[in-house]
Amino acid sequence: GAVVSQHPSRVICKSGTSVKIECRSLDFQATTMFWYRQFPKQSLMLMATSNEGSKATYEQGVEKDKFLINHASLTLSTLTVTSAHPEDSSFYICSATRGAELSSPLHFGNGTRLTVT
Amino acid sequence: AQSVTQPDIHITVSEGASLELRCNYSYGATPYLFWYVQSPGQGLQLLLKYFSGDTLVQGIKGFEAEFKRSQSSFNLRKPSVHWSDAAEYFCAVGVEYGNKLVFGAGTILRVKS
Repeated sequence: GAVVSQHPSRVICKSGTSVKIECRSLDFQATTMFWYRQFPKQSLMLMATSNEGSKATYEQGVEKDKFLINHASLTLSTLTVTSAHPEDSSFYICSATRGAELSSPLHFGNGTRLTVT
Repeated sequence: AQSVTQPDIHITVSEGASLELRCNYSYGATPYLFWYVQSPGQGLQLLLKYFSGDTLVQGIKGFEAEFKRSQSSFNLRKPSVHWSDAAEYFCAVGVEYGNKLVFGAGTILRVKS
């Protein structure tokens, strides 16, 4: 089946630094990728929708200057957490799909655990 | 606005017992409904989905779910739980456009032997 690879799986960084998380679709072309954030013991909250070759669409309340999303190719989207602070510590999950329709299967990465010290 | 409610935060069942996880949704149009499972530190795996047609949907790992429009529910069931089913389960509703999902808060399933 389709595989979405997310890297790194874990990252620890110091406050004030930036961290880049990659999301790759390994065996299909992902026209759309989604980035979610999951706080401990809570559900996934959609942060942004990323379409290849265009600017990401951010959900209300998500700072686009802090969470930079790039979807430069049909197999790669990146999320960069800029000037990270401890409150950015969370589990970040990406998902990818071939199409924007709900009937297009959605494939999730295994997530990235970010810890900001 | 669309929303998903999973009223049970934790559920503990004995191995071999039946399971039902509750999910209620709020959405103005025809819902697209999903159940996902997440093991600790992992991403999400799709168990099953409902778009239209038969309201009883069969999924992987022996799971099924029934869509009841009158109750705005999409409860997940399994007749006999295995220890490997211990995980967190998320119900989600799909927004009509853009393949976006709104997730419930999740239900953590514990299986006791």
